[in-house]
Amino acid sequence: DQQVKQNSPSLSVQEGRISILNCDYTNSMFDYFLWYKKYPAEGPTFLISISSIKDKNEDGRFTVFLNKSAKHLSLHIVPSQPGDSAVYFCAAARGGSQGNLIFGKGTKLSVKP
Amino acid sequence: GAGVSQSPSNKVTEKGKDVELRCDPISGHTALYWYRQSLGQGLEFLIYFQGNSAPDKSGLPSDRFSAERTGGSVSTLTIQRTQQEDSAVYLCASSSGTSGGYFGPGTRLTVL
Repeated sequence: DQQVKQNSPSLSVQEGRISILNCDYTNSMFDYFLWYKKYPAEGPTFLISISSIKDKNEDGRFTVFLNKSAKHLSLHIVPSQPGDSAVYFCAAARGGSQGNLIFGKGTKLSVKP
Repeated sequence: GAGVSQSPSNKVTEKGKDVELRCDPISGHTALYWYRQSLGQGLEFLIYFQGNSAPDKSGLPSDRFSAERTGGSVSTLTIQRTQQEDSAVYLCASSSGTSGGYFGPGTRLTVL
């Protein structure tokens, strides 16, 4: 049973536009959420996180929104750049940042020039 | 180096053999995680070490899998009697607990 779901395996966006990557979770005990980016043949790199006490966190072009009632979070990239093309993983943990992470299957983002 | 390192980067083994995968976390990071990514799948949690606490082994797929972390630093993941379905990229991550984990480059395991 998948606790963290990324229902779109791929997303294609034009350079300069907004990329919206979605993630749903089923376990209401999750209280910490993260997004990772992964290039081919490299390990995932941490992008941005959000605690369940917040509903939004921004870092430059990246913003994560958390809707606890819907058990949904999303990552917005504005404006999208070709270098953003990668696989994006959503992850969730219970026990704050000290908990083990449960990952979604990832969404492959392609940003076209 | 300043990042998480893993060795070997690639491992090809025959079905039934044992393999050991090594992870050197970032110095001072108390949390260490092992994940694997099979072809076409997301990252699957295997095991989590936090300081001196008993590890969270809830993700280990069978008793053929074990891991240890010596001295709160280096970790080895051991797979006994490997099977073809064990073929995957095995990723290690470490964390200080104040931010997201930092991943190593992974070990690609191929079981023939």
